Amino acid sequence: DAGVIQSPRHEVTEMGQEVTLRCKPISGHNSLFWYRQTMMRGLELLIYFNNNVPIDDSGMPEDRFSAKMPNASFSTLKIQPSEPRDSAVYFCASSLDQGAGDYGYTFGSGTRLTVV
Amino acid sequence: AQKITQTQPGMFVQEKEAVTLDCTYDTSDPSYGLFWYKQPSSGEMIFLIYQGSYDQQNATEGRYSLNFQKARKSANLVISASQLGDSAMYFCAMRDQLSGYSTLTFGKGTMLLVSP
Repeated sequence: DAGVIQSPRHEVTEMGQEVTLRCKPISGHNSLFWYRQTMMRGLELLIYFNNNVPIDDSGMPEDRFSAKMPNASFSTLKIQPSEPRDSAVYFCASSLDQGAGDYGYTFGSGTRLTVV
Repeated sequence: AQKITQTQPGMFVQEKEAVTLDCTYDTSDPSYGLFWYKQPSSGEMIFLIYQGSYDQQNATEGRYSLNFQKARKSANLVISASQLGDSAMYFCAMRDQLSGYSTLTFGKGTMLLVSP
């Protein structure tokens, strides 16, 4: 299994530009998560999908952020317009939620976003 | 209220010694799971060990063990025989279902440095 695949690994963009981060979860996993990691705030859950449906987006900072999961094998996180304070590492993770028992998340390698 | 607390911003240990990384948690859900992840300087998040709230035995995975003290709400990670490659950031995380669904909440992390 190739694991959770994120692209790009690094993104540098100018303030005001649109940024799209991509994620391919592990095949067969039914839950997908987007996290943001910063020095100040640590790892924050942005949004959680279960069976391609957004379940909780309360962590999305503001309307500039949006996420989609059009099918079980692909998700995007879009920031429009981007701002310097959006600079962070964005992780995608997936898991198989069977409703009971232990299961962990498998994380992608992350996308390091720098907005200048 | 913070759900996961890691009180040690940094820890130093000599190679081949054991080290304990502290983690306390807060939940009223009787069914929960506790996880530890390692984040080396390369940035990826690596799952280390899991403990379920109903597990009678402390979890172990190779050189990693979880000292689970339910009454104290602590889930400390013990790394035996430290190696230079153990130098990394370590995150404690908890999964409960108080919000009606299950997601991982992370602590702020502890930076471990292993010296020769």
